[in-house]
Amino acid sequence: GENVEQHPSTLSVQEGDSAVIKCTYSDSASNYFPWYKQELGKRPQLIIDIRSNVGEKKDQRIAVTLNKTAKHFSLHITETQPEDSAVYFCAATYSGGGADGLTFGKGTHLIIQP
Amino acid sequence: NAGVTQTPKFQVLKTGQSMTLQCAQDMNHEYMSWYRQDPGMGLRLIHYSVGAGITDQGEVPNGYNVSRSTTEDFPLRLLSAAPSQTSVYFCASRIRSYRTATNEKLFFGSGTQLSVL
Repeated sequence: GENVEQHPSTLSVQEGDSAVIKCTYSDSASNYFPWYKQELGKRPQLIIDIRSNVGEKKDQRIAVTLNKTAKHFSLHITETQPEDSAVYFCAATYSGGGADGLTFGKGTHLIIQP
Repeated sequence: NAGVTQTPKFQVLKTGQSMTLQCAQDMNHEYMSWYRQDPGMGLRLIHYSVGAGITDQGEVPNGYNVSRSTTEDFPLRLLSAAPSQTSVYFCASRIRSYRTATNEKLFFGSGTQLSVL
């Protein structure tokens, strides 16, 4: 099955700086890579996703990059703000086949320092 | 739409007790799933269903049963609760197309905090 490694487990950055969270996956058949944000005490919510036929995707201050050869993908947050403080989870799956279910990384606790 | 509704929000059980966590969605989603979230472990898939009458095991299925008699409901049963099942449980659903991999966004419920003493 798929295995997703996520680093770092905790990331502290100054407000206004950029944050980068990295994930690697093991199954070369995986073709869908979403990122979920979970604020304290809340449910996870999708913030951005990328498919294997795309190398980069942006949505305002967040972007995701994918390197299929190296089997890793990253979340980039620019101009960080206090509301970016949360736990971020990467995930991977093969979408469209018989198997279902996202495999999540263990999460990164992003702390934005004022 | 209410989205994905989970009940109860909190539950305390004694070892050996059984209980059912309820999950319902009103978005006509084919795919429903249960995850457990433990500190430092991320979200791990327990069971999932791709439609009424169809269920399958995820990464950590032992000690849990599921059934899917309707499109809307996907209850999770703990047969004999153990302290290792203390966790936060999330139900999640999404559209699932057998033809194309479209609209993969998972919609999560608000979670159930379960403590087993």
